[in-house]
Amino acid sequence: GAVVSQHPSWVICKSGTSVKIECRSLDFQATTMFWYRQFPKQSLMLMATSNEGSKATYEQGVEKDKFLINHASLTLSTLTVTSAHPEDSSFYICSARDLRTWDGYTFGSGTRLTVV
Amino acid sequence: KQEVTQIPAALSVPEGENLVLNCSFTDSAIYNLQWFRQDPGKGLTSLLLIQSSQREQTSGRLNASLDKSSGRSTLYIAASQPGDSATYLCAEGNEKLTFGTGTRLTIIP
Repeated sequence: GAVVSQHPSWVICKSGTSVKIECRSLDFQATTMFWYRQFPKQSLMLMATSNEGSKATYEQGVEKDKFLINHASLTLSTLTVTSAHPEDSSFYICSARDLRTWDGYTFGSGTRLTVV
Repeated sequence: KQEVTQIPAALSVPEGENLVLNCSFTDSAIYNLQWFRQDPGKGLTSLLLIQSSQREQTSGRLNASLDKSSGRSTLYIAASQPGDSATYLCAEGNEKLTFGTGTRLTIIP
């Protein structure tokens, strides 16, 4: 089945620094990818839709200048958390769908971000 | 706006028993209903996808049903095993998924 690779799986950074998270579709092309955030013991909340070759679409309440998304190729989307603060500490997960099949969405393994 | 609810939040079941997990949604005009499992600190593994025109899907010991008129989906797990212990999430949507809060399942050996 479709595989989505996410890297890194965990990262610790200092307040004020930026962190980049990569999401790759390994065996299929994805014109659209999705970024979710999950706080402890809560469900996943959609942050933004990443569109290949165009600007990302952000959900209400998500700061686009803080969470920069770049989808430069059909297999790679990146999420950069800029000027990170402790409240940005969370679990970030990306997903994509292989349009050749009807298997639903495939998710990456997630990135645990801790800002200290 | 679609809202997805999963009750109970946690469930413990002795090994070998059959069990049902529940998922409710407020808007019956759904696209797809997908069930996932999430192990602690890990990403999501897709279990079953039910398209809006379907009523159920089966994979091994898992069976998911969909009743749009009542706004409910259930995930049936037969002959539960300790390895089934995880958090189970349901999600509705075509592109943007709306997730339930999950049911944390523990299978007691």
